[in-house]
Amino acid sequence: ETGVTQTPRHLVMGMTNKKSLKCEQHLGHNAMYWYKQSAKKPLELMFVYSLEERVENNSVPSRFSPECPNSSHLFLHLHTLQPEDSALYLCASSQEGQGHNEQFFGPGTRLTVL
Amino acid sequence: AQTVTQSQPEMSVQEAETVTLSCTYDTSESDYYLFWYKQPPSRQMILVIRQEAYKQQNATENRFSVNFQKAAKSFSLKISDSQLGDAAMYFCAAMEYGNKLVFGAGTILRVKS
Repeated sequence: ETGVTQTPRHLVMGMTNKKSLKCEQHLGHNAMYWYKQSAKKPLELMFVYSLEERVENNSVPSRFSPECPNSSHLFLHLHTLQPEDSALYLCASSQEGQGHNEQFFGPGTRLTVL
Repeated sequence: AQTVTQSQPEMSVQEAETVTLSCTYDTSESDYYLFWYKQPPSRQMILVIRQEAYKQQNATENRFSVNFQKAAKSFSLKISDSQLGDAAMYFCAAMEYGNKLVFGAGTILRVKS
């Protein structure tokens, strides 16, 4: 357990559903991230939040909507997803300003869109 | 833009033997960080080793070491005395300014007993 938790661990949803992924970090970090991990593809950075402000949005479709209410919590709201959005969604956190910039990852949410 | 390439989709190693995983990257920056992450079948990604580009000395963490060739933009991971618990997907990653990590496609490492 690395101090970053994600819920749910598995999620199956239809294309018309609305769901949310939750991430919580217990490390006192000030930056949080959402990544998408698809089979046979490199991890794709989706969103970066630093000090609760979004600083990166890697051309992610609007059907993915992030929310960072405080430095410990990060959400990814999902609506009208497509089957190609099925993937493992990883959350990570880090402490900005420290030289090594190590990111700590959560276990991920395995999302299946039917 | 940064790119990271891992040319070995899968590798196998006999228990107690040594294996080297390859990674090349492309960057226009002179200051950056390089990482190897391990993702076991349980899916929790953990950091194995990191290297600051301005440091000439290769990083070492117990049985894990890197061969950092800055001019060639190469960053390979050597695992010595391989153990069954080393079986996982290994990702090479690079970071320039800020905290933006760029990952390679990964190498699946299988350890044979």
